[in-house]
Amino acid sequence: KQEVTQIPAALSVPEGENLVLNCSFTDSAIYNLQWFRQDPGKGLTSLLLIQSSQREQTSGRLNASLDKSSGRSTLYIAASQPGDSATYLCAVHGGGGSEKLVFGKGTKLTVNP
Amino acid sequence: NAGVMQNPRHLVRRRGQEARLRCSPVKGHSHVYWYRQLPEEGLKFMVYLQKENIIDESGMPKERFSAEFPKEGPSILRIQQVVRGDSAAYFCASSQQGPANYGYTFGSGTRLTVV
Repeated sequence: KQEVTQIPAALSVPEGENLVLNCSFTDSAIYNLQWFRQDPGKGLTSLLLIQSSQREQTSGRLNASLDKSSGRSTLYIAASQPGDSATYLCAVHGGGGSEKLVFGKGTKLTVNP
Repeated sequence: NAGVMQNPRHLVRRRGQEARLRCSPVKGHSHVYWYRQLPEEGLKFMVYLQKENIIDESGMPKERFSAEFPKEGPSILRIQQVVRGDSAAYFCASSQQGPANYGYTFGSGTRLTVV
């Protein structure tokens, strides 16, 4: 059974700081890994999708890395802004004998002005 | 090109009533997934459907819950005789030709409150 863990559960930083969110998964036989953002009471916005054959993906101030063999991914946010405040969710597709997308519980990020 | 459309956004039902949640996938997407998010919990898979077929319903409660994705029209998640524990946000996602290469696109969700 695939399990996804995100650390830390919550993070509070001052504006302008660079930060790293961590995601680990138990079964490395994944197809891909996706990072999402969820604002309170809202849906999920896809940030980055990393295929199992890729090592990293970048979009603007966001960079996500994937180390499939060790079951880890990181989301790096450069020069954080108050508008980045949200819950960030990591999800893996595949592994554990499943075709499902399995989510971590998320990291709640607060960026203070 | 509209994204995944879910309606209603908010739904209030009394205990024992039925709830019907609708999801229109991204145009051209033939794979639909339903997830449930309980308060302070992560998103949990419920069911995976392709047009007219249920592919994986391993996350669906055995009773009161059903889902369909007809040849024409939106996917429907139906909850009969709702109870307070069904109060949650229900999210629909779609993908093109399976999510292995293309990832998932999520809707804004339906927030069900059972009173």
